[in-house]
Amino acid sequence: QKEVEQNSGPLSVPEGAIASLNCTYSDRGSQSFFWYRQYSGKSPELIMSIYSNGDKEDGRFTAQLNKASQYVSLLIRDSQPSDSATYLCAVNAGGTSYGKLTFGQGTILTVHP
Amino acid sequence: NAGVMQNPRHLVRRRGQEARLRCSPMKGHSHVYWYRQLPEEGLKFMVYLQKENIIDESGMPKERFSAEFPKEGPSILRIQQVVRGDSAAYFCATHRGPKSADTQYFGPGTRLTVL
Repeated sequence: QKEVEQNSGPLSVPEGAIASLNCTYSDRGSQSFFWYRQYSGKSPELIMSIYSNGDKEDGRFTAQLNKASQYVSLLIRDSQPSDSATYLCAVNAGGTSYGKLTFGQGTILTVHP
Repeated sequence: NAGVMQNPRHLVRRRGQEARLRCSPMKGHSHVYWYRQLPEEGLKFMVYLQKENIIDESGMPKERFSAEFPKEGPSILRIQQVVRGDSAAYFCATHRGPKSADTQYFGPGTRLTVL
């Protein structure tokens, strides 16, 4: 079992729709959870972080965390073509006090006009 | 990329040569992580360094790879006797202090191609 697993892609949604990205993790000790966006040939860019169970909203993005189910998700409302990218779920390694991240393999999102 | 510098941005080496990748953190940042991204894969943690100290190298291959972060100058990831399987994008990420570990800033990466 992979430590961080994302729903298989690629994911294609029409402009204006909601894109739903999912991630499960195996390390129950993890306390910090992140979504990064990576455009082709570029470096990852942090778009959301979440630490507590429930929802966290930031503009068109909503992150959801369920530690009991070891599940993290990202919803993108009113998807735009500029949202087309690879989305990486990352989890802080449990038992460490520093920022060692374990990444999922990424989900490619395409938003078509 | 918030000011994290990496150079070179692209590096081509022949099998058996050495590759040196540099990461200059943002001003005031003393914590550096190196990650490797193989084609079509997610990022994999390699090593975590603070100034002059290697804190966690659990993701580093046992041979040919080494990293340092000297008191002065950039952090360096060194790959000796490169092989084709080393072809990847190498990213560093930095943050200021232990309480800001969750706010890492990634550099633009070095794309290493081994011929």
